[in-house]
Amino acid sequence: QVTLRESGPALVRPTQTLTLTCHFSGFSLSTSGMSVNWIRQPPGKALEWLARVDWDDDTYYNTSLKTRLTISKDTSKNQVVFTMTNLDPVDTATYYCARAIVVATARPHPSYAFDIWGQGTMVTVSS
Amino acid sequence: EIVLTQSPGTLSLSPGERATLSCRASQSVSSHYVAWYQQKRGQPPRLLIYAAFSRASGIPDRFSGSGSGTDFTLTITRLEPEDFAMYYCQHYDSSHTWTFGQGTKVDMK
Repeated sequence: QVTLRESGPALVRPTQTLTLTCHFSGFSLSTSGMSVNWIRQPPGKALEWLARVDWDDDTYYNTSLKTRLTISKDTSKNQVVFTMTNLDPVDTATYYCARAIVVATARPHPSYAFDIWGQGTMVTVSS
Repeated sequence: EIVLTQSPGTLSLSPGERATLSCRASQSVSSHYVAWYQQKRGQPPRLLIYAAFSRASGIPDRFSGSGSGTDFTLTITRLEPEDFAMYYCQHYDSSHTWTFGQGTKVDMK
């Protein structure tokens, strides 16, 4: 059974750095085609993809936020760590980690989708 | 960057009715890279449709996806009580990033 679980602080002060950990089980992040992603959702608003780390250590970031984001993996611990710097109240959201897998071997590149999600962790940015 | 616009914002229907949800991309995209998710209150999203047409594992056949180019549709043929939820379309880009639409809420009339 594939599971993901987010952990981290519920409250962060403005300008501080947020560090979240995704603990996963049931799959290996060293398997070709796998990736773990972070997605957030402000209260009552839409989903926003943030960052991705692939099985081969490649990383990708939301273009508008990339200067503030870092994602890394520890394959031996089955964990993915996500950091976001210089937090602001607009960063208040539920943060999800999700596994992405190849769902279609299309051209020019394979298609991925998020097949398994964690339950999410609510992070509030407030002084 | 491709922008996805979903319509309508809210769809008010009764159980048993047909729901048609639209997702329009700001430029033409390959259907291989379009997916749909369902999200119920207080829960994470669930993958419904990938590659525009294919149902994910365990998804009932009353859910179907269609479309091409800039216009994609999620259809629920006969709404069940558990189908009243938010629905998001998603596009996977050649830069290996994703964008979501702003969502359509299907609520009970």
